[in-house]
Parts: sequence; structure tokens; C-alpha cells
Amino acid sequence: GESVGLHLPTLSVQEGDNSIINCAYSNSASDYFIWYKQESGKGPQFIIDIRSNMDKRQGQRVTVLLNKTVKHLSLQIAATQPGDSAVYFCAENRGYSTLTFGKGTMLLVSP
Amino acid sequence: SQTIHQWPATLVQPVGSPLSLECTVEGTSNPNLYWYRQAAGRGLQLLFYSVGIGQISSEVPQNLSASRPQDRQFILSSKKLLLSDSGFYLCAWTSGTTDTQYFGPGTRLTVL
Repeated sequence: GESVGLHLPTLSVQEGDNSIINCAYSNSASDYFIWYKQESGKGPQFIIDIRSNMDKRQGQRVTVLLNKTVKHLSLQIAATQPGDSAVYFCAENRGYSTLTFGKGTMLLVSP
Repeated sequence: SQTIHQWPATLVQPVGSPLSLECTVEGTSNPNLYWYRQAAGRGLQLLFYSVGIGQISSEVPQNLSASRPQDRQFILSSKKLLLSDSGFYLCAWTSGTTDTQYFGPGTRLTVL
């Protein structure tokens, strides 16, 4: 079936480093992708999104890259801070206003 | 601006007891509403979604049910809880014109 998955379950970085979180998707018909950040005990928080007619989109300290050829999505966080420590989920739209979520990657930032 | 509320924040219930979790959205009209469950250290499982009052779509068969009695109110219920119903329950909404979902703070349910 269609799925969205992540390559790395845990990513550990030093404060100030750049972080890259990866996501693979299998539904080539998906045209919208979102990254969420979830801190412990809280609901997921929208970070950034991208439509399939784009390859790159930038926000504040975050960049999402979309490679439709290999069905790969990545989230880049510049100058990672301890407050960035959380679980990051990618999601793709699957129609009927619903999303399919990946399993998540834990980002650990050491001071 | 739009706000989404969930209550209670935490709930401990015995096996076999009923359940009622509530979600309300402020600052928007005719939202799409969603219920998810998240097991510890896991991803989000879509349980139900609704595109309008009285319209409920179920994603997985289970002993849970959902209702939407008002435009901005979404309720998750069970007549008899199972141990496997424990988890973190999240409500989300979209405007219906975009697929971006915004999540509430969640309810931590422990069934003993």
C-alpha cells in the first residue's frame, strides 16, 4: 500500500550544526507535503509545507526539499538549537482531505 | 485567529468503562475535523474524519465512534474501553480549502 516512511529513527546533532531529516514517500500522485514538529506530550506543530510543483521552499531556519524523481523529501534545519529537539513527521496528502504520516524521526540536540 | 481545544488533557479509565473526548475549534466555520491516535513512540493513526455536521468517515474498525453534533465540535466515544485503547488522542482541523492540518494539544488516555 501507499506509505510515507523515514530513513533514520533518531538523529543526534550538536547545537549550531545543520540538521537534515529525510523522508521517502511511495505515492507518486501526492501533490502536497508537510513537515510537523512534535514535542513530548504535545500535539504536532506545523513547520513548513511544499507543493509538488516546487523543488524547494524556505522558512525561518528551515528548508524543505522535494525530489519527485526519487520520491524523497527532506527537512533542513539551520543552526540547530536545543529547542529544536523533538520528533519530526513528514506527511503527504492522500485525497479526501486526509494525510498519511510517516513514522517520525527523533532529533536530539546537544548543547 | 483559529484555536483548537481538547479536553480532558489527561484521563485514566478502567477497562470496560465508557469514554467521551471532546474537541472544539474556534475562529473558523465548516472545518474538516479529524481524530488521530498515537501510541507511545509511534506515528499518527487516523481514526475518523468529518467534512460536515453529522458526516463521519471511519478509517479503522474498532470499538470507538465519533460524532459531530455541531459545526465546530467533534466527539470521540466508546461504550467499553479496552486496554489497547490507551494512547495519545489528537484532534485536528483544516479549513477545507487546504490540506494543512492543525492539531490540538491532545488527550493522554490510560486504560487500566
